[in-house]
Amino acid sequence: KAGVTQTPRYLIKTRGQQVTLSCSPISGHRSVSWYQQTPGQGLQFLFEYFSETQRNKGNFPGRFSGRQFSNSRSEMNVSTLELGDSALYLCASSFSSSSGTGELFFGEGSRLTVL
Amino acid sequence: TQLLEQSPQFLSIQEGENLTVYCNSSSVFSSLQWYRQEPGEGPVLLVTVVTGGEVKKLKRLTFQFGDARKDSSLHITAAQTGDTGLYLCAGLSGGADGLTFGKGTHLIIQP
Repeated sequence: KAGVTQTPRYLIKTRGQQVTLSCSPISGHRSVSWYQQTPGQGLQFLFEYFSETQRNKGNFPGRFSGRQFSNSRSEMNVSTLELGDSALYLCASSFSSSSGTGELFFGEGSRLTVL
Repeated sequence: TQLLEQSPQFLSIQEGENLTVYCNSSSVFSSLQWYRQEPGEGPVLLVTVVTGGEVKKLKRLTFQFGDARKDSSLHITAAQTGDTGLYLCAGLSGGADGLTFGKGTHLIIQP
């Protein structure tokens, strides 16, 4: 079956702009989580959506937001981009909410560069 | 904030050697997962350990969860070049923070 699909794979923005990233989970998966990966901080949890509701949220500023649609596809948005937002943004889907022990299936990520 | 410390941060060894990487925390986790990430790809789950003291084997990889469920180790026997990658441990506490990831061990197996 098809894996987790993230678009776009690469993008370059300038400071102050905003960006929207998209994630299509594995068919049948209702949970989508977003992570930011940087060399210095590693993988940091942004938020999780389950059945269109935000279930958990990490310690990121309000410039980072997301949503999930009825077909489980998810988008995340970062407004007023800063240089420090340059990172690999990873989406992961799972059948159940991350409060269980279910396996996370990751996409290949969207690499954002902010100039 | 729960932290997972992974060591070593970088490891480069010759093919055929054995190695162990560690994942330590002062917090208790209900379960712990190990992922491997290759360049240009997302992490892929290798194993989940749930019970304190649990040992799981995946071919040449042996995973152990500490008795107190605060630490874990990954041992690779007779490393192969295909084992090269970033190894990440991730703990689940059952709280509202999702999985907590360590920063990973960058492993390079040289031929």
